[in-house]
Amino acid sequence: EAGVTQFPSHSVIEKGQTVTLRCDPISGHDNLYWYRRVMGKEIKFLLHFVKESKQDESGMPNNRFLAERTGGTYSTLKVQPAELEDSGVYFCASRITRGSPLHFGNGTRLTVT
Amino acid sequence: AQSVTQLDSQVPVFEEAPVELRCNYSSSVSVYLFWYVQYPNQGLQLLLKYLSGSTLVESINGFEAEFNKSQTSFHLRKPSVHISDTAEYFCAVTNAGGTSYGKLTFGQGTILTVHP
Repeated sequence: EAGVTQFPSHSVIEKGQTVTLRCDPISGHDNLYWYRRVMGKEIKFLLHFVKESKQDESGMPNNRFLAERTGGTYSTLKVQPAELEDSGVYFCASRITRGSPLHFGNGTRLTVT
Repeated sequence: AQSVTQLDSQVPVFEEAPVELRCNYSSSVSVYLFWYVQYPNQGLQLLLKYLSGSTLVESINGFEAEFNKSQTSFHLRKPSVHISDTAEYFCAVTNAGGTSYGKLTFGQGTILTVHP
């Protein structure tokens, strides 16, 4: 089966611009997560979708971040406008059932200059 | 609130030597524990997990970790490492109950470098 796919793998944008990251979970995985690792820090939870609904968005840093999962398939994470501190690696993960492990994508490395 | 501390940011070892990567956690509720590994230019892969039962869990590539509730630790060990074990290793925890199973709290990561 195909794994979790993230696009793009790298993105370099200027401060104030908008960037949209995409995640395609494993087919049939209702649970989708976004995580972020800022340089030198630990990986932190951003939010959790169950199908198209946001189950938990307690980790979203501020209202410049908007996550969507229309139709309960792929998800997008938009940063608008981007700030320097948004630089880092954004990971997406999915799982099928409660006891099953998270499957992570390779991440999107975002650099804001 | 939960927290995870990986006590070593970098661990250099020689091939075929034993290694231990240390992980301590703090939580007011029961937890599940995980070790993830990230090889260069790849995503995180689950190495092993503790959900319940035997406190010693093993991976298919020779790693093992032991859940010690009294010491709130989940150290990762391998008796003999290989060059291919070079990677960054992450310890993580999540609440054992409720709906937040996949909401992981990660440690800072430990970079294991195996030298020939």
